[in-house]
Amino acid sequence: DAGVIQSPRHEVTEMGQEVTLRCKPISGHDYLFWYRQTMMRGLELLIYFNNNVPIDDSGMPEDRFSAKMPNASFSTLKIQPSEPRDSAVYFCASSRGNSPLHFGNGTRLTVT
Amino acid sequence: QQPVQSPQAVILREGEDAVINCSSSKALYSVHWYRQKHGEAPVFLMILLKGGEQKGHDKISASFNEKKQQSSLYLTASQLSYSGTYFCGTESPGSARQLTFGSGTQLTVLP
Repeated sequence: DAGVIQSPRHEVTEMGQEVTLRCKPISGHDYLFWYRQTMMRGLELLIYFNNNVPIDDSGMPEDRFSAKMPNASFSTLKIQPSEPRDSAVYFCASSRGNSPLHFGNGTRLTVT
Repeated sequence: QQPVQSPQAVILREGEDAVINCSSSKALYSVHWYRQKHGEAPVFLMILLKGGEQKGHDKISASFNEKKQQSSLYLTASQLSYSGTYFCGTESPGSARQLTFGSGTQLTVLP
């Protein structure tokens, strides 16, 4: 089991640029979650999917953020345009039913 | 609303015990505990699903008081490998699968 795979591990970009974060969940998992972690706000749930369908996106901070899950093995989180306050570690996690969340190693985003 | 964890930080000597508390203002369906080491992803420790339930794994155990909307994580005879930040994640009825995490408790175990 390869675990949840996120890419890139680190992303440095300039304000105003588009950023795309990628996630491959564990095979067979039907839930996928995007979390953001900062020192100030901790781990925040941004959006989650069930069977590729977005269930709750109330945690998405602004319209600049969007997420898609075109199939069971791939999801993206896009920020356009990016701002310095978006700098954080973004985690993707997946689970099957009520099983625990398995987190990826995260993408550390720095917006200058 | 984010659950409240206490203490925010604790420093122990190897072999000492620690308790980390998690309290919510909302009714809870379950409580999840995770540990995160610096620069790594959170790793699952245990889920508590029933009021009054207690679970244990090795020397780490937890309790869940559904009526008080509280959970506690107990670390006994701590080891150096226990160092990290511990998060509780709460799940409320009607918000299935939406884990809300506390701000974390930073645990440092010294030799």
